[in-house]
Amino acid sequence: EPEVTQTPSHQVTQMGQEVILRCVPISNHLYFYWYRQILGQKVEFLVSFYNNEISEKSEIFDDQFSVERPDGSNFTLKIRSTKLEDSAMYFCASSEGRGQETQYFGPGTRLLVL
Amino acid sequence: GQNIDQPTEMTATEGAIVQINCTYQTSGFNGLFWYQQHAGEAPTFLSYNVLDGLEEKGRFSSFLSRSKGYSYLLLKELQMKDSASYLCAVREQSNYQLIWGAGTKLIIKP
Repeated sequence: EPEVTQTPSHQVTQMGQEVILRCVPISNHLYFYWYRQILGQKVEFLVSFYNNEISEKSEIFDDQFSVERPDGSNFTLKIRSTKLEDSAMYFCASSEGRGQETQYFGPGTRLLVL
Repeated sequence: GQNIDQPTEMTATEGAIVQINCTYQTSGFNGLFWYQQHAGEAPTFLSYNVLDGLEEKGRFSSFLSRSKGYSYLLLKELQMKDSASYLCAVREQSNYQLIWGAGTKLIIKP
């Protein structure tokens, strides 16, 4: 069964450094998403991406964040100048369409900023 | 404002039935999802409701009442592996974002 994959599974970085989180969505899906979940807290929407551009973003997704689809398979989230409060689990998800389509989640990347 | 409420934690016995409730207040509505999340893992899709009524899928069923802003997830014949958090998420109509509840931690006892 096709699945969303994410790398790395864990990332430890120093405050102020840049990190790139990688995702490979399900191959026939057209919509891609990033979510984060701070330990013990709710899942929070960050951004959705379609047709090589951002379609929606939340208040969390400020200039510190960017997304890119550098090739036909990868979807990346870049976090510049990381802060302690960026420590969280970051989930990538994809869906076939936008309207009522189910989003399928990857296993997540646990980011720890020291 | 946007608000999704679920009980924080519930306990049930193996083999029994449990109902997890979710109430929501959102600026728009374009469907309600239930996801299961085991500790440290990704949410996995369980069910989707957009019209009022009951959707049944094996041991799991989900109900929606749009007029009441209310849904429940019903789990039957509980198994130990059902111990997990159950997340209620509402898709807003205006922007298709998923708004998530804090999740209900379900503990299954033998």
